[in-house]
Amino acid sequence: AQKVTQAQTEISVVEKEDVTLDCVYETRDTTYYLFWYKQPPSGELVFLIRRNSFDEQNEISGRYSWNFQKSTSSFNFTITASQVVDSAVYFCALSEARNFNKFYFGSGTKLNVKP
Amino acid sequence: DTEVTQTPKHLVMGMTNKKSLKCEQHMGHRAMYWYKQKAKKPPELMFVYSYEKLSINESVPSRFSPECPNSSLLNLHLHALQPEDSALYLCASSQDRDREQPQHFGDGTRLSIL
Repeated sequence: AQKVTQAQTEISVVEKEDVTLDCVYETRDTTYYLFWYKQPPSGELVFLIRRNSFDEQNEISGRYSWNFQKSTSSFNFTITASQVVDSAVYFCALSEARNFNKFYFGSGTKLNVKP
Repeated sequence: DTEVTQTPKHLVMGMTNKKSLKCEQHMGHRAMYWYKQKAKKPPELMFVYSYEKLSINESVPSRFSPECPNSSLLNLHLHALQPEDSALYLCASSQDRDREQPQHFGDGTRLSIL
């Protein structure tokens, strides 16, 4: 079974629209860690945020915000007032405390922001 | 600029060639990783080194041979590769004490096998 599901393969929005990228995870561990990465066309995966399973506090960083809900096993990512530079593939990832070096990546969501 | 440096950026090689990919980090991280990424797919873990010892090998074919000469360097030796091995190869590093620490990635090496 897939541990991380990103059901949205590709999303297209017009600049200044808000957009939410969905991430649903599956684990039996009580201690786990969730991450979001951005991969622009250049190839590098850029770390955006991490959350551990005991910290359900939502976070806002500029135009980015994250909504972690253990009840629905979701860790969604919202970009407010999107910009063309936000165009990239976004990956959600999970690691479990018993083998924390192993990251389980979702299939990624390609975000196209049009001017 | 990324703090994980990979060389070369691009590599084209024949199936009988031997080449190496290199990765370097100076963040004091003690875990280093190799990933393979095909187009429109997520990264697939290949190897993990923890304190310069191989800790995870995800059943990677022996034509890929990793090496960790010291805590800052990670190599991937390539020999007799197949066309299906063409992909983006990403190196990453992380602290190996704090479980919550993210992995930091390099720009990758785009490998093409003729």
